Amino acid sequence: GENVEQHPSTLSVQEGDSAVIKCTYSDSASNYFPWYKQELGKGPQLIIDIRSNVGEKKDQRIAVTLNKTAKHFSLHITETQPEDSAVYFCAASMGSSNTGKLIFGQGTTLQVKP
Amino acid sequence: DAGITQSPRHKVTETGTPVTLRCHQTENHRYMYWYRQDPGHGLRLIHYSYGVKDTDKGEVSDGYSVSRSKTEDFLLTLESATSSQTSVYFCAISDPGLAGEGDTQYFGPGTRLTVL
Repeated sequence: GENVEQHPSTLSVQEGDSAVIKCTYSDSASNYFPWYKQELGKGPQLIIDIRSNVGEKKDQRIAVTLNKTAKHFSLHITETQPEDSAVYFCAASMGSSNTGKLIFGQGTTLQVKP
Repeated sequence: DAGITQSPRHKVTETGTPVTLRCHQTENHRYMYWYRQDPGHGLRLIHYSYGVKDTDKGEVSDGYSVSRSKTEDFLLTLESATSSQTSVYFCAISDPGLAGEGDTQYFGPGTRLTVL
């Protein structure tokens, strides 16, 4: 079946450095790719998303890139801060986005050291 | 936070007992989802609903049933809980009919369930 692979599973960076998390997906019909941040004891929160008609999207220190040919997408966080420490999940829509269903990656635990 | 609440937030139960988790939303979103979260597996879809009384299975539906009698409530039932169902359960909502952000899923705070 369809799946989403996410790497790395853990990532430790120094405050101020950049962090990159990568995901690959298998369903060529996927056209919606959200990223979620989950803090300890809370539900996942959407931080940025991208649709298949664009290759890159940026929101302040966060950017996402999409390569549909290679079926991979990445999250880039610049100038990391301790409050960026959390678990990050990528996801891809099952088929076209109007199914409403998402497949999630396994998660990346990001630690930003002061 | 989107208007999503889950109850209970924590529950400890014994193997073989029935358990019902509740998700309540105030956003009038059409779609609702139940996920479980386990280390190394991310979030896996159990069941989802695309309208009142309209539900369908996700990838890990065995041992679970759902019901949706009102737009705002989505119930997840474990008919006979097993230790393998110890997990954190999240509810999510979306409304694919919304222009511009219909794909977006918003998550509740989660329910931590322990089956002894």
